[in-house]
Formats: sequence, structure tokens, C-alpha cells
Amino acid sequence: GQQVMQIPQYQHVQEGEDFTTYCNSSTTLSNIQWYKQRPGGHPVFLIQLVKSGEVKKQKRLTFQFGEAKKNSSLHITATQTTDVGTYFCAGPRGAQKLVFGQGTRLTINP
Amino acid sequence: NAGVTQTPKFQVLKTGQSMTLQCAQDMNHEYMSWYRQDPGMGLRLIHYSVGAGITDQGEVPNGYNVSRSTTEDFPLRLLSAAPSQTSVYFCASSYTYWGTGVEAFFGQGTRLTVV
Repeated sequence: GQQVMQIPQYQHVQEGEDFTTYCNSSTTLSNIQWYKQRPGGHPVFLIQLVKSGEVKKQKRLTFQFGEAKKNSSLHITATQTTDVGTYFCAGPRGAQKLVFGQGTRLTINP
Repeated sequence: NAGVTQTPKFQVLKTGQSMTLQCAQDMNHEYMSWYRQDPGMGLRLIHYSVGAGITDQGEVPNGYNVSRSTTEDFPLRLLSAAPSQTSVYFCASSYTYWGTGVEAFFGQGTRLTVV
């Protein structure tokens, strides 16, 4: 079945450094979503990408959807301590299921 | 606006006990799902529902039952708890099907320990 793989599993950076997490699907996705989970919290929706090659920005966060709609990335410029958490990508499996990647846990040294 | 409410927040069970994790949403969402979160495994889908009276299995359904008698409620039942079911459980809802890219709203989670 369709799998959504996410790398890296962990990333530790110095505050101010950039951070990138990658998401790859074994099949073409109709859309991809990104979520952030703060330590001890629940996943919170960040954004969805629908179009091939789409790029969206939210302040220091840049989201990309690959041309083949099988991969995506989230890039954070100049990380801040508020960026700490686990970032998940998610894609639909058919119409009725939402499948998540394993997540990338970001820790930051202030 | 409460959103998605899960109870309890924490629970300790003994092996073999049964219990029900409650999930309720007040957004009139049709789609609801249960996930479990384990270190390094991400969020894995247990069961899901596309409307009242309709449920189906996800990736890891064994040991769990669900029902959906109303649009608002989607309880998850552990039939005979096992230590392998120690995890954090999240309920999520959406107003329509995932293929359109609609966001999932998550509850606060239930942290379950089985001893």
C-alpha cells in the first residue's frame, strides 16, 4: 500500500541555522499536508499543497510539492526556539484515509 | 468552540482490562479517525469513519473496536489491554474527505499506559 516516508527522523540545530525535512510517497498524491506538533501537544495543521511544483511560504517556512506530486519538503530559515517540535507530512490514501509520515523531530540549541 | 475533545487525558490499565477512549467533536464533521503515536513510528491509523453508522479499519486495527452512532462521537474501545497498546492516542476529524486536502483537527490526546 501507499507509504509516506519522512527524513530525517531527528534534527538538532543551533538557533539561527536552517532546517529542512523531506517527505516521499510511493505513489502520486492528490495533495500533501504538513502538521506541527509541539512537545506534549497535538498535531496542528500548517498548510496543504495541491498543485504540481507548488511553493508556499509562511514567514520563515517554505513548503514545496514536487513536480511528480510524490515528494515534498519543508524548509525553515533561521530557526528560532519556537520552531521546536515534530513536523509531519500527510497524504490521502484514497478518499477516506489520511496517512502520516514518521515525522521529523526538531530540537534547537539556543 | 471546543473542537475535538478527548477523554481521559491519562490512563493506566492493567493487562487484560478493557476501556473506552472517548472522542467528541462539535464541528459537524463527517470524517473521524483514531491514530496512535509511538516513538519513531509517526501517527498510525487505527480505525476511521466517514459518517454515522460507517466505520472501517486502518493500518493497525487489531485489539481495537469502534462504533459511530452519532456524527459527534467516535469512541475507541480496547477489548483486552496489552502492554503493546501503551501509546498516545489521537482522535482527528475533518468536514469532508481527505482527497480534497482539507485539514485534520486533532484532539489533545490520551496517554495510555498498560502495565
